Amino acid sequence: DIVMTQGALPNPVPSGESVSITCRSSKSLLYSDGKTYLNWYLQRPGQSPQLLIYWMSTRASGVSDRFSGSGSGTDFTLKISGVEAEDVGVYYCQQGLEFPLTFGSGTKLEIK
Amino acid sequence: EVQLQQSGAELVKPGASVKLSCKTSGYTFSNYYMSWLKQMPGQNIEWIGNIYGGNGGTGYNQKFKGKATLTVDKSSSTAYMDLSSLTSEDSAVYFCARLSILPKSPFDYWGQGVMVTVSS
Repeated sequence: DIVMTQGALPNPVPSGESVSITCRSSKSLLYSDGKTYLNWYLQRPGQSPQLLIYWMSTRASGVSDRFSGSGSGTDFTLKISGVEAEDVGVYYCQQGLEFPLTFGSGTKLEIK
Repeated sequence: EVQLQQSGAELVKPGASVKLSCKTSGYTFSNYYMSWLKQMPGQNIEWIGNIYGGNGGTGYNQKFKGKATLTVDKSSSTAYMDLSSLTSEDSAVYFCARLSILPKSPFDYWGQGVMVTVSS
């Protein structure tokens, strides 16, 4: 199974500051079609996860342009430019390359 | 509007089984895969398996083979998951989530989740 490892944030983060959340995969997620199959989700407190970014850098419909994704085949970053109160929650990366689909352990964002 | 509506919380005894439902609307059920996922309190999200709405074809995480059985009812656009021989390790929130139509797709819509508590 592909293991996904996420970094932590120095919580709480001041409102308006930009943050980067890191994720590493145990296997390259770059596929032969040129796409990198890494997705990002936000799970707000008491809610189900919502899709933010797919294929490493494509924003899902309706997602603010404050969120951006980047990376290589195994190292990935989700950047939030100017955190706001509504960004509070746990961020998960997930690999979509192969089964079983696997998630990182999550990165919690708290705002000051 | 795409919606995935899950059944209510369950309290079940050890050794029993439970059947969870995920009723969908707002899209063509038979054209998409549905996944089920498990999230224990404060813990990671685990993928249990997929089922295709068109023909009921399934794929499972090896970890959950024998524990979970996925089925669909196309007539009501509803996906189901049976969990058997329940133990305390099965106490968790279970989500249904649609896999988008994209290749190697993300989970683009999620149900609200259902808490299953296994206790005598």
